[in-house]
Amino acid sequence: DTEVTQTPKHLVMGMTNKKSLKCEQHMGHRAMYWYKQKAKKPPELMFVYSYEKLSINESVPSRFSPECPNSSLLNLHLHALQPEDSALYLCASSQVQGYEQYFGPGTRLTVT
Amino acid sequence: GENVEQHPSTLSVQEGDSAVIKCTYSDSASNYFPWYKQELGKRPQLIIDIRSNVGEKKDQRIAVTLNKTAKHFSLHITETQPEDSAVYFCAARDGGATNKLIFGTGTLLAVQP
Repeated sequence: DTEVTQTPKHLVMGMTNKKSLKCEQHMGHRAMYWYKQKAKKPPELMFVYSYEKLSINESVPSRFSPECPNSSLLNLHLHALQPEDSALYLCASSQVQGYEQYFGPGTRLTVT
Repeated sequence: GENVEQHPSTLSVQEGDSAVIKCTYSDSASNYFPWYKQELGKRPQLIIDIRSNVGEKKDQRIAVTLNKTAKHFSLHITETQPEDSAVYFCAARDGGATNKLIFGTGTLLAVQP
């Protein structure tokens, strides 16, 4: 398996909802990432896990909560989001932190 | 920290022509420079990368060159085809403790048939 998969593809949630995004890879990669991407902008790093430990938190608001249950899975728990949080959320993985990152297809999130 | 500038922001070429996208970086400790292609509605796709101990790398119609002294690197696409139309992002790996990728602002390439 040479792909990063993400579910769901699309998500619409209200500002009081709680939802989770899921990411999975079976390439044996030890680093996993969450990025946020707005239209016509580059991906913006949110979190990095290396060997299942949180390595980087780019001062992301606490309404976003990452979790790495094991080396193949990465979750992003969402709570009390704002409309400006609407974006494409991309997961990525790499064998070594910072090198050769492979992206999943993303979750298109709309907050109403 | 690292800063990456990318030019041009848009580029239109005729099918069969060459396209060149340029990026500059600020941190001389950066050692890894990937290029991503993102088609509309799709994921960023790693198309080629180069490490700081190499000056040039080619893969069929695409090549990347790196000038460490000037701190710039470029993507070259030859014999462009309509399917090359996409947004291209350059990136540099931060040479500091974070090892994160710093992305350029992107180039929208349009290949006219």
